[in-house]
Amino acid sequence: EPEVTQTPSHQVTQMGQEVILRCVPISNHLYFYWYRQILGQKVEFLVSFYNNEISEKSEIFDDQFSVERPDGSNFTLKIRSTKLEDSAMYFCASRKRAGRGTADTQYFGPGTRLTVL
Amino acid sequence: ELKVEQNPLFLSMQEGKNYTIYCNYSTTSDRLYWYRQDPGKSLESLFVLLSNGAVKQEGRLMASLDTKARLSTLHITAAVHDLSATYFCAVHPSNQFYFGTGTSLTVIP
Repeated sequence: EPEVTQTPSHQVTQMGQEVILRCVPISNHLYFYWYRQILGQKVEFLVSFYNNEISEKSEIFDDQFSVERPDGSNFTLKIRSTKLEDSAMYFCASRKRAGRGTADTQYFGPGTRLTVL
Repeated sequence: ELKVEQNPLFLSMQEGKNYTIYCNYSTTSDRLYWYRQDPGKSLESLFVLLSNGAVKQEGRLMASLDTKARLSTLHITAAVHDLSATYFCAVHPSNQFYFGTGTSLTVIP
């Protein structure tokens, strides 16, 4: 069964460094998402991406964050200058389509645990 | 500000008992989702509810949606230990998903 994959599973970085988190969505999906979850807390939306552009982003997704779909299969989240408070689990998700009345849900990847020291 | 609230936040229940988790949301949404998350793991989709009055059942879990009341319930019947996890509801009023606060369920023998 197709699944969303993410690499690395754990990333440790120093404050101020840039990190790139990678995701490979399910191949025939059209909508892509990044979320984060601080330990023990709820899942927070960061950004959605469709047709090679951002369709929505949250207040968390400031100028330090960017997303790309560089080659038609990978979907990346870049944090330019990491802060301590960026430490969290980052989940990528993909979705086939979003028409009204459709039952398509998101499929989540296993997550990347980001630790900023 | 859009809010998605779940209660209870923590639930400890005995095996064999029934209980209901509630999800209230503050905006119009034509669909509602329930997810399960095991500790240290990703989110697994349980149900997608698309319309008012929708009811879906899978095993010991049953979800319902009342869009007029902006309320969804996740009912657990005859709980077993394997159901121990955190359960999240989420609404989808636009091209982003808003997750609830989560309900951490522990089923004890």
